[in-house]
Amino acid sequence: EPEVTQTPSHQVTQMGQEVILRCVPISNHLYFYWYRQILGQKVEFLVSFYNNEISEKSEIFDDQFSVERPDGSNFTLKIRSTKLEDSAMYFCASSVSRGRHNEQFFGPGTRLTVL
Amino acid sequence: GENVEQHPSTLSVQEGDSAVIKCTYSDSASNYFPWYKQELGKGPQLIIDIRSNVGEKKDQRIAVTLNKTAKHFSLHITETQPEDSAVYFCAASMNTGANNLFFGTGTRLTVIP
Repeated sequence: EPEVTQTPSHQVTQMGQEVILRCVPISNHLYFYWYRQILGQKVEFLVSFYNNEISEKSEIFDDQFSVERPDGSNFTLKIRSTKLEDSAMYFCASSVSRGRHNEQFFGPGTRLTVL
Repeated sequence: GENVEQHPSTLSVQEGDSAVIKCTYSDSASNYFPWYKQELGKGPQLIIDIRSNVGEKKDQRIAVTLNKTAKHFSLHITETQPEDSAVYFCAASMNTGANNLFFGTGTRLTVIP
């Protein structure tokens, strides 16, 4: 069964450093998402991406964040200068479309720890 | 924006009993309500969903009900098994834009053998 994959599973970085989180969505999916989950809190939407551009973004997704689909398979989230409060689990998700089912399939997540 | 509340935060049931998790949402424009199960170390997995044009949906031991007037929806798991132990999240989506999901705070379900 096709699945969303994410690398790395755990990333430790120093405050102020740049990190890139990588995702490979399901191959025939067209919509891509990043969510984050701070420990003990709800999963929060960050950004959605379609047709090589951002469709929607939340207030969390400020200028420190960027997304890119550098090739036909990868979807990346970059945090330019990490802060302590960026420590969280980051989930990538993808869906076939925004129509019929809206089913979003989630990857296993990347745990980001900012020291 | 949409605000989804979920209760209870933890739930323990004996194996074989039923479990019910409840969610409310704030925006009447929401029309898609998925439920996700998250096991330790894994991402959320979709287990069932419901759209606003139906009031109930069932898939084997799990069912979801939706009350649009009251803006609440519930997950029902019958004949619980130890492998049902996980964190369950409800979510809501408005089917506009890119359909980003608004999640509840999660319910940690423990099924005691």
